[in-house]
Amino acid sequence: GQQVMQIPQYQHVQEGEDFTTYCNSSTTLSNIQWYKQRPGGHPVFLIQLVKSGEVKKQKRLTFQFGEAKKNSSLHITATQTTDVGTYFCAVDSSNTGKLIFGQGTTLQVKP
Amino acid sequence: NAGVTQTPKFRILKIGQSMTLQCAQDMNHNYMYWYRQDPGMGLKLIYYSVGAGITDKGEVPNGYNVSRSTTEDFPLRLELAAPSQTSVYFCASSSDRGGYNSPLHFGNGTRLTVT
Repeated sequence: GQQVMQIPQYQHVQEGEDFTTYCNSSTTLSNIQWYKQRPGGHPVFLIQLVKSGEVKKQKRLTFQFGEAKKNSSLHITATQTTDVGTYFCAVDSSNTGKLIFGQGTTLQVKP
Repeated sequence: NAGVTQTPKFRILKIGQSMTLQCAQDMNHNYMYWYRQDPGMGLKLIYYSVGAGITDKGEVPNGYNVSRSTTEDFPLRLELAAPSQTSVYFCASSSDRGGYNSPLHFGNGTRLTVT
């Protein structure tokens, strides 16, 4: 079945430091989605990447889709305490609507 | 629009009891999903549906059943509750794929404890 690996599992940073999480698939993807889940909350959609090599930015967040469409990254510049939460990638390698989530990266930010 | 509504918010079950987790959406979305999230873990897909009358298994379907008689509702049934089913359950919906996945809209979750 579809395997999507997300690393690291946890990341503790000092406020102002950068943060990156990576999502790797064993198969070529048609697209990839990213979600954020605050502690005690539900996942909230951040962005979707579709094209090979695509880069999208949302303020301090930069999302990238690999050239081979098998990996993706989310980079946060100058983290803030509001960035705390778990970041998930989600993929549908079978193009059937079966959306599988990565294990998530939990970000802690020390003020 | 209320979005995706899940009931109940919390429930405690004894081993062997049964219950139905309710999920309703008012966005006319065709795609609906059930995920479970164990403490400190990621989301595991239990079942999903691409439209009324159509359901399919996800990653962890054992011990659960679903039905999709209407576009709006996607209930999840636990027939014989086991401690391993203690988890937070999220329902989600999305519109037609249109060639690629549409964003998921999640409910607030149901926190289930089986003792």
